[in-house]
Amino acid sequence: GESVGLHLPTLSVQEGDNSIINCAYSNSASDYFIWYKQESGKGPQFIIDIRSNMDKRQGQRVTVLLNKTVKHLSLQIAATQPGDSAVYFCAEAMNTGFQKLVFGTGTRLLVSP
Amino acid sequence: ETGVTQSPTHLIKTRGQQVTLRCSSQSGHNTVSWYQQALGQGPQFIFQYYREEENGRGNFPPRFSGLQFPNYSSELNVNALELDDSALYLCASSRQGMDQPQHFGDGTRLSIL
Repeated sequence: GESVGLHLPTLSVQEGDNSIINCAYSNSASDYFIWYKQESGKGPQFIIDIRSNMDKRQGQRVTVLLNKTVKHLSLQIAATQPGDSAVYFCAEAMNTGFQKLVFGTGTRLLVSP
Repeated sequence: ETGVTQSPTHLIKTRGQQVTLRCSSQSGHNTVSWYQQALGQGPQFIFQYYREEENGRGNFPPRFSGLQFPNYSSELNVNALELDDSALYLCASSRQGMDQPQHFGDGTRLSIL
């Protein structure tokens, strides 16, 4: 769709594989992080969030890992399915007195049957 | 639970015109944020409304303005449209708080001719 991914990094996996999408964030003072999935022609869809006082959080088929030392986030998707194909964004919440989300560049995930 | 809805879905305008985009927030949410997503990029924060007042703004000129209504719905107004304003405009709603996830609508695709 128009809103996502002409020249994004791309991760190609086979159906059933585990996927790992990485993200570097910019501000060491950020204390809340969200992963979003954006399909063609749609808005970003909330997947999972994590607060800075945690280093791991699990959801249904997804796990987010946070490494504050190197300002790195990862999203792990277990048993990847064709319906997981989309662009994935990490977003950090800047501590500016209100929640302003700053988005990473995005990664396109392509899942082959 | 009703999600975030935006209208219209598509809009074509010419340079110099004005546009109003509308957003209905998810039930139970009192905070609305607007983002601009250019082709191939992540969303960029425009501003946020809480209790009918702007409580945070990104790096956008004053010709981008907004309103929030008592029912928490919101409008984004853009005056003196420029070609570079062509983008997907996303609305996100949330509960107030630094660790409350923002949930997005599917956006309004604005094209400037």
